[in-house]
Amino acid sequence: QPVLTQSPSASASLGASVKLTCTLSSGHSNFAIAWYQQQPEKGPRYLMKVNSDGSHSKGDGISDRFSGSSSGAERYLTISSLQSEDEADYFCQTWDTGIHWVFGGGTKLTVL
Amino acid sequence: EVQLLESGGGLVQPGGSLRLSCAASGFTFVTFAMTWVRRAPGKGLEWVSLISNSGDRTSYADSVKGRFTISRDNSKNTLYLQMDNLRLEDTAVYYCAKDRGSGTYWNFWGQGALVTVSS
Repeated sequence: QPVLTQSPSASASLGASVKLTCTLSSGHSNFAIAWYQQQPEKGPRYLMKVNSDGSHSKGDGISDRFSGSSSGAERYLTISSLQSEDEADYFCQTWDTGIHWVFGGGTKLTVL
Repeated sequence: EVQLLESGGGLVQPGGSLRLSCAASGFTFVTFAMTWVRRAPGKGLEWVSLISNSGDRTSYADSVKGRFTISRDNSKNTLYLQMDNLRLEDTAVYYCAKDRGSGTYWNFWGQGALVTVSS
């Protein structure tokens, strides 16, 4: 079963960029993942799917400020021109089709 | 516009039961698998259960297997989660979500229903 590892917290200044990382466990480095944003008191929002080759497909209405990329077992979410509303929890998720669906522990992003 | 609206949450004693509902609109419900995900206080997201579009296939997290039952009524565009023998650690906000396709990830989510298990 795949395991996803995320740093518990990250911070960056208003207007700056931040890159969040999600690391796949050994033997699962070719898995695609999905990124979600969860703002306080709201349901999660799907941001994008990121494939092992770095290609990504975003959800409806997701700003161009959000982009995805990959390197080996790592999947990235980059947020540019940070805004106050980007302060949220960010989760990655993967699947072993029909068997397991797992989330990373989440990263709490603080916009300074 | 896709909308998912959960209901049925509340306070229940350990060992009790509760049934959550998720009313779906804005898409062809019968075409998509659906899932339940929860978030306990101070914790991250946890996948709970998934059901195929026709309802003939279901999957459960080990933490709820044998206690929770997922089902759907495609004539009513509604997803359900029957929760029995509830434990303190089941306290969480429960979200229903629409599958993007082929049982992979979920592209639309509800706002959640709070379930509190306490004596």
